[in-house]
Amino acid sequence: DAGITQSPRYKITETGRQVTLMCHQTWSHSYMFWYRQDLGHGLRLIYYSAAADITDKGEVPDGYVVSRSKTENFPLTLESATRSQTSVYFCASRLGLAGDIDTQYFGPGTRLTVL
Amino acid sequence: QQQVKQSPQSLIVQKGGISIINCAYENTAFDYFPWYQQFPGKGPALLIAIRPDVSEKKEGRFTISFNKSAKQFSLHIMDSQPGDSATYFCAASSGSNYQLIWGAGTKLIIKP
Repeated sequence: DAGITQSPRYKITETGRQVTLMCHQTWSHSYMFWYRQDLGHGLRLIYYSAAADITDKGEVPDGYVVSRSKTENFPLTLESATRSQTSVYFCASRLGLAGDIDTQYFGPGTRLTVL
Repeated sequence: QQQVKQSPQSLIVQKGGISIINCAYENTAFDYFPWYQQFPGKGPALLIAIRPDVSEKKEGRFTISFNKSAKQFSLHIMDSQPGDSATYFCAASSGSNYQLIWGAGTKLIIKP
């Protein structure tokens, strides 16, 4: 059971380049999330998705694009990378039912450096 | 009103001591309060969570204390061990809104 995986784990790119971070989960969870983690800011939500083909903006969506054509995949694209997007990016998923099943499961993260 | 304020930012505790991390919120609609633990190089993982119908929840050495009137909740780690050294995040959510509102995190170091 692979759970939730992210690729690549490390990425160095240059300002202005397009970068896509991949996220794949094997649980068929309905909800998926992209966060960025920066010192002093904790976890900030970029985008989330309630199901395939349903996505919505989070707290810091500018400069990012997401898609979700299949339940298990939720790629995050930086259309034109900027230095301020240097961060650690985490993908997460949750089953999606209300009530007790609220746990978000996180991937191992992608450390992105924009030069 | 959507914020969750976490303190302290960092904490050093001797092995065997009690570690206490506090969070405060404003939104009275919040009804789910989890704590996540994150080790270096890893993603956060759920440690323990509480709903406002109880004032305390204990799992092993970890306890959440919840004060609904003060709109505060805290994580207590009893008999703290070096293996507990990690960053801890509190969070909150409300009803059918699946988004978690996160605290800024506390870096905990347990000295041997």
